[in-house]
Amino acid sequence: AQSVTQLDSQVPVFEEAPVELRCNYSSSVSVYLFWYVQYPNQGLQLLLKYLSGSTLVESINGFEAEFNKSQTSFHLRKPSVHISDTAEYFCAVFKGTSYGKLTFGQGTILTVHP
Amino acid sequence: EAGVAQSPRYKIIEKRQSVAFWCNPISGHATLYWYQQILGQGPKLLIQFQNNGVVDDSQLPKDRFSAERLKGVDSTLKIQPAKLEDSAVYLCASSLDRGDEQFFGPGTRLTVL
Repeated sequence: AQSVTQLDSQVPVFEEAPVELRCNYSSSVSVYLFWYVQYPNQGLQLLLKYLSGSTLVESINGFEAEFNKSQTSFHLRKPSVHISDTAEYFCAVFKGTSYGKLTFGQGTILTVHP
Repeated sequence: EAGVAQSPRYKIIEKRQSVAFWCNPISGHATLYWYQQILGQGPKLLIQFQNNGVVDDSQLPKDRFSAERLKGVDSTLKIQPAKLEDSAVYLCASSLDRGDEQFFGPGTRLTVL
């Protein structure tokens, strides 16, 4: 069975500071990896994904994540955060054979302070 | 393009009552998912439909939960009778096909008193 662990439940940070949200997964087969963001009272939105190819993937709003197979990690980073990045972030994984079944981590609440 | 629609957005009921949630996926999407998100946890898949057939319902508590997707479009999720531990946000998602990107609705927040 696959599982996803987000190592930090809450991450407070000041505006314009860098941030890293950590995610580790366990799976014995190839996986696809995702980061979703959930703003207050809204549904989940896909932030970025790794399917194959380059291990570094980027989103349109400055976030990036790197797939590290040897460490089974997919950490999310941003060099300079904004107040508007305050949200809950979920790491998720599915195996290529699981026909779309996503397994989510517990979530990390990112709070950006002025 | 319209997104995934869900209703109601909020529902408060007493334990042992029944409740139903409705989801309208993005037009043309064959796959529909219902997730349960308990406070402090990530979403957990309850049931997955491919058109109007069930693909995976391994984590659906079938003694009290039921779901259907008539005509392969809209879907309803029902809880009968509700328990306190069913308090959660119920998320509906859809994708063009299995394995494609999932688009989520805003969710229904259920409180069971």
